[in-house]
Amino acid sequence: QKEVEQDPGPLSVPEGAIVSLNCTYSNSAFQYFMWYRQYSRKGPELLMYTYSSGNKEDGRFTAQVDKSSKYISLFIRDSQPSDSASYLCAMNSGYSTLTFGKGTMLLVSP
Amino acid sequence: EPEVTQTPSHQVTQMGQEVILRCVPISNHLYFYWYRQILGQKVEFLVSFYNNEISEKSEIFDDQFSVERPDGSNFTLKIRSTKLEDSAMYFCASSPGLENSPLHFGNGTRLTVT
Repeated sequence: QKEVEQDPGPLSVPEGAIVSLNCTYSNSAFQYFMWYRQYSRKGPELLMYTYSSGNKEDGRFTAQVDKSSKYISLFIRDSQPSDSASYLCAMNSGYSTLTFGKGTMLLVSP
Repeated sequence: EPEVTQTPSHQVTQMGQEVILRCVPISNHLYFYWYRQILGQKVEFLVSFYNNEISEKSEIFDDQFSVERPDGSNFTLKIRSTKLEDSAMYFCASSPGLENSPLHFGNGTRLTVT
């Protein structure tokens, strides 16, 4: 079983839609969860950072962690064409190195 | 906003040659990292560096690879005797060093080995 699983997509939605992106993981030691956005030929850009279970909201973005199910989500409200990118989940157990998902390609059409 | 900068943006080299990828981390950061991303694959950890020494490395980071902080601002990744399978995006990242402070990534160097 892979440590972090993420559907590669692509996920195509119309502008204004609510987007749900998800990752599952197998390592119960993971405590810190991040979402990065990666535009084509660019480096990962940190979007959200959460600790343990619960929700965190920042503007149009909401990150959700369910440690009991080993499942994390990123919701994007009122999606825009500029949100079209690859979204990578990443996680670690503290000082350890990040383990990334493969990334989900999101395409938001005008 | 301070950012991690990487040069060159694209490097083409012949198999067997040595390459040096360069990074300038954010100035007050203490931890430095190299990750790589083969086309279509996930971002993979290579090595972390703190206090002028390697703090952790993955099984990918074998004797072919080395890292150095030659001065107070640069952080380099050297790949000796490059192979075709070394073709990838190489990302440098840095963090302040507080527990689980998030990593800030550069825009990467695309290495093409022919």
